[in-house]
Amino acid sequence: NAGVTQTPKFQVLKTGQSMTLQCAQDMNHNSMYWYRQDPGMGLRLIYYSASEGTTDKGEVPNGYNVSRLNKREFSLRLESAAPSQTSVYFCASSEQRGANEQFFGPGTRLTVL
Amino acid sequence: GDSVTQMEGPVTLSEEAFLTINCTYTATGYPSLFWYVQYPGEGLQLLLKATKADDKGSNKGFEATYRKETTSFHLEKGSVQVSDSAVYFCALSAGGSQGNLIFGKGTKLSVKP
Repeated sequence: NAGVTQTPKFQVLKTGQSMTLQCAQDMNHNSMYWYRQDPGMGLRLIYYSASEGTTDKGEVPNGYNVSRLNKREFSLRLESAAPSQTSVYFCASSEQRGANEQFFGPGTRLTVL
Repeated sequence: GDSVTQMEGPVTLSEEAFLTINCTYTATGYPSLFWYVQYPGEGLQLLLKATKADDKGSNKGFEATYRKETTSFHLEKGSVQVSDSAVYFCALSAGGSQGNLIFGKGTKLSVKP
């Protein structure tokens, strides 16, 4: 039982490059989330998927797209990376949206030069 | 909108000292409240939670009581250890935030031997 896994762990991009961050959970959770963590800012929600087949914008969605590929997988795509997207990205999942505990992956540290 | 305010760090304590990290919130309705902990290089883990007024969440010697009258959920531990060094996040989940978690900015705790 691996919980929430994310790949890659580290990535360096040049401005304008694209990439996809992968996330998978093996807990049969309905809801999945992408956050970014910046110094002094806490965690901010980028996108979430309340259930398979649905996605919605969070607090800071600009410059990102997501795909809920199936119940297990939820990917985050940067189409044209910018230095402002340098951050640590966390994927999380929960049984359902709401008061339930969210389980977090180990994070992806992204640097955009 | 919903928000969480927690004391800014860093907080530096000696081993066996008493810990308090203050957290207050603003929310519509009756939120659930959480404390998450992030150890260096890792994702967030749920430390404790409370789902209604006057509930006390506890885990690993940490406690927090849901105080509706003061809209607070302060984290306490009677005797900290070096292994408690981490970043602590207060969070809420409420209907006004579409059921998603709203995080405080985090408080970094360093415990010296």
